[in-house]
Amino acid sequence: GQQVMQIPQYQHVQEGEDFTTYCNSSTTLSNIQWYKQRPGGHPVFLIQLVKSGEVKKQKRLTFQFGEAKKNSSLHITATQTTDVGTYFCAGPLTGANSKLTFGKGITLSVRP
Amino acid sequence: DVKVTQSSRYLVKRTGEKVFLECVQDMDHENMFWYRQDPGLGLRLIYFSYDVKMKEKGDIPEGYSVSREKKERFSLILESASTNQTSMYLCASSFSYAASENNEQFFGPGTRLTVL
Repeated sequence: GQQVMQIPQYQHVQEGEDFTTYCNSSTTLSNIQWYKQRPGGHPVFLIQLVKSGEVKKQKRLTFQFGEAKKNSSLHITATQTTDVGTYFCAGPLTGANSKLTFGKGITLSVRP
Repeated sequence: DVKVTQSSRYLVKRTGEKVFLECVQDMDHENMFWYRQDPGLGLRLIYFSYDVKMKEKGDIPEGYSVSREKKERFSLILESASTNQTSMYLCASSFSYAASENNEQFFGPGTRLTVL
């Protein structure tokens, strides 16, 4: 079936290292969103990408939407312990007018 | 400040009990959602509603029902709770439909349900 995929599910980095994760869809997306869930918390919206090839930055976080609008990336420069959490991507799959399909998320841990 | 609230943070019920989880949003959003979150499985959509008294099945509706009598309130009902429904339940709302811009979802704090 139609899916939004995030692999791997866990990644561990040393504080100060860069981190990149990817999100892939089985179909073309009209937009893609990223959420962050801190340990013990709930998902919080980070950003939405709409245009093909779009790049948006939030401080040390850089988000990109692929040219074919089927994949996206999140890059964190010089990770900090505050970046710890699970990052989800989500997109509306074909025919899904009111709902998002979430990837399984990637849980990032940062060694101080 | 936008807000989605859920009736309980923690809930313990017995197998076979009827369970009600309540969610209220104060943003006048059209769309509301119920997800469950389990380790390694991410967020899975149970049901959603795009208008009062309207509901649509999500990916895992079996064993659940919902009610939306008022725009701000969306209830999840477990008709006869079972141990495999032990999970974290998250409610969310959004202003517009998923394919549009500015359709971010706002999540509640979650209810951790344990069924014994």
